Amino acid sequence: AQSVTQLDSQVPVFEEAPVELRCNYSSSVSVYLFWYVQYPNQGLQLLLKYLSGSTLVKGINGFEAEFNKSQTSFHLRKPSVHISDTAEYFCAVSFSGGYNKLIFGAGTRLAVHP
Amino acid sequence: GAVVSQHPSRVICKSGTSVKIECRSLDFQATTMFWYRQFPKKSLMLMATSNEGSKATYEQGVEKDKFLINHASLTLSTLTVTSAHPEDSSFYICSASVLPGTSGSYEQFFGPGTRLTVL
Repeated sequence: AQSVTQLDSQVPVFEEAPVELRCNYSSSVSVYLFWYVQYPNQGLQLLLKYLSGSTLVKGINGFEAEFNKSQTSFHLRKPSVHISDTAEYFCAVSFSGGYNKLIFGAGTRLAVHP
Repeated sequence: GAVVSQHPSRVICKSGTSVKIECRSLDFQATTMFWYRQFPKKSLMLMATSNEGSKATYEQGVEKDKFLINHASLTLSTLTVTSAHPEDSSFYICSASVLPGTSGSYEQFFGPGTRLTVL
């Protein structure tokens, strides 16, 4: 069975510092990987996705993620965060043959402090 | 980009009444729509998957008679919470997906969510 683990429920960080939000997945078949951001009382916005090709994926708002098949990871990074990046971040996976269902991780709350 | 809307954004109702939430894909035709439920400070829980013109597929533990889903067209799906109770209070989010190109991946586009409060 497929699953997604976000290792950190909360990540506090100071403004302009770098940040990494961790995501690991478990699957016996090929996967497609996504990171979404959710601001309070809003839906989800796609940050970036890995479908195939280059393992380093660049997304919106300066975020990037690297797909590591051997470690089954898809960690999200940003070299310098802003106060406005404070939000909930979800890692999600869909898998080949899974009829496009998304499986979400538990989420990581990124809190950026001045 | 692909835009998905939900209506209403917030609804408060009395216990025992039914509430209908609409999910629309505004600028594309969605082959599949999904309904999620999100509890405070929790992740999204998939409730059901619906394809236009066919019955929805519900996830284990989701009562299909309580959460009625209708996917009448390629741009509209509705979720009706029947005989709502306070424990049904939650944030409901829909998403819509389209057939991919050659990647094999069906990207989902999310609506802004509907906050349901049952008194």
